[in-house]
Amino acid sequence: GENVEQHPSTLSVQEGDSAVIKCTYSDSASNYFPWYKQELGKGPQLIIDIRSNVGEKKDQRIAVTLNKTAKHFSLHITETQPEDSAVYFCAASIGRSYIPTFGRGTSLIVHP
Amino acid sequence: ETGVTQTPRHLVMGMTNKKSLKCEQHLGHNAMYWYKQSAKKPLELMFVYSLEERVENNSVPSRFSPECPNSSHLFLHLHTLQPEDSALYLCASSQELAGVGNEQFFGPGTRLTVL
Repeated sequence: GENVEQHPSTLSVQEGDSAVIKCTYSDSASNYFPWYKQELGKGPQLIIDIRSNVGEKKDQRIAVTLNKTAKHFSLHITETQPEDSAVYFCAASIGRSYIPTFGRGTSLIVHP
Repeated sequence: ETGVTQTPRHLVMGMTNKKSLKCEQHLGHNAMYWYKQSAKKPLELMFVYSLEERVENNSVPSRFSPECPNSSHLFLHLHTLQPEDSALYLCASSQELAGVGNEQFFGPGTRLTVL
């Protein structure tokens, strides 16, 4: 089955800095890569996703890049704010009816 | 709010107790899921229901028993649990089985502590 590795497990940045979270996956058939944000006391919430026919996708301060050859994808957050502090999960899925496999999560701490 | 509610939010139980977790989705979705979230581990998929039929059971011990009486409700019945079962239990739903174009919506979870 699919295996998703996520790094780092903890990331501490100053407000205004950029943050990058990296994930690798094992199944070359994976073609859908969602990212979830989990705030304290809440369940994960989808913040951005990318499909295998796209190399990069942006939504305001967040962006995701995908390198299918190397089987890795990354989440980039620019101009970080304290409210970005949360646990971020990457995931990979091989198709429409396949439930994503999640990474272990990255705890992002943004210091004011 | 995501449209997925879970009760109770916190539960403490002894190893001999029987309790149930409840999940309700108000999104008109056809698929529902139970996940276990433990510290420093990936989200562990436990059960998947599609149109009230169980389609996946990821080698979950029989002390966990799911029930999906209709497409809006999902239960997780617990009995004779072990301390290592202490975790956050998340319910999620999606329009169809999750994958491309089928975002999963998660509830806030039930924090379970087994003494």
